[in-house]
Amino acid sequence: EDKVVQSPLSLVVHEGDTVTLNCSYEVTNFRSLLWYKQEKKAPTFLFMLTSSGIEKKSGRLSSILDKKELFSILNITATQTGDSAVYLCAGLRFFGNEKLTFGTGTRLTIIP
Amino acid sequence: IAGITQAPTSQILAAGRRMTLRCTQDMRHNAMYWYRQDLGLGLRLIHYSNTAGTTGKGEVPDGYSVSRANTDDFPLTLASAVPSQTSVYFCASSDSRYGTEAFFGQGTRLTVV
Repeated sequence: EDKVVQSPLSLVVHEGDTVTLNCSYEVTNFRSLLWYKQEKKAPTFLFMLTSSGIEKKSGRLSSILDKKELFSILNITATQTGDSAVYLCAGLRFFGNEKLTFGTGTRLTIIP
Repeated sequence: IAGITQAPTSQILAAGRRMTLRCTQDMRHNAMYWYRQDLGLGLRLIHYSNTAGTTGKGEVPDGYSVSRANTDDFPLTLASAVPSQTSVYFCASSDSRYGTEAFFGQGTRLTVV
């Protein structure tokens, strides 16, 4: 059975700090690792990582995948109160057997 | 506007009743998923479908059934609801032929009493 583990479970930091969220996975026929942000309702997409070692960036957020060690990290620099959310990562299997398995998430709280 | 729609938005259901949660997407995505979300447990996969006519079990399939008669619709049925099925249910879809991420519906909050 596929397994995705996130750490830490929760994190409280001050505005302006930099945070690193971790995601390890064991996914059969692994294709991609996805990151989502969830505030009050449905998760919103952040990144999809398929190749190892290639950083993806969007503003203050960045993420990278290590397919040898089976993990990914999500970095947020110069955090703002609007970054407070639950961050979810998920492992996706290859085409023809799409099964998208999520971790339990990291709850990030930014204190002004 | 293209997207994925769930109905109802919320529902209170008596234990033992049958209930179908609806999910429709108009993006012609091949894959669709149903998740439940409970506090502290993240998104747990109930059932998924790679293409019309095929379905697969996730990690928590017991008490739920799905069908995928066509590309657009993926209903989730609770044959006889129990209080432990109280949760927020999310439907999602993706198209791996083009490498898209999974898009989510807005969720259905179900309370079984």
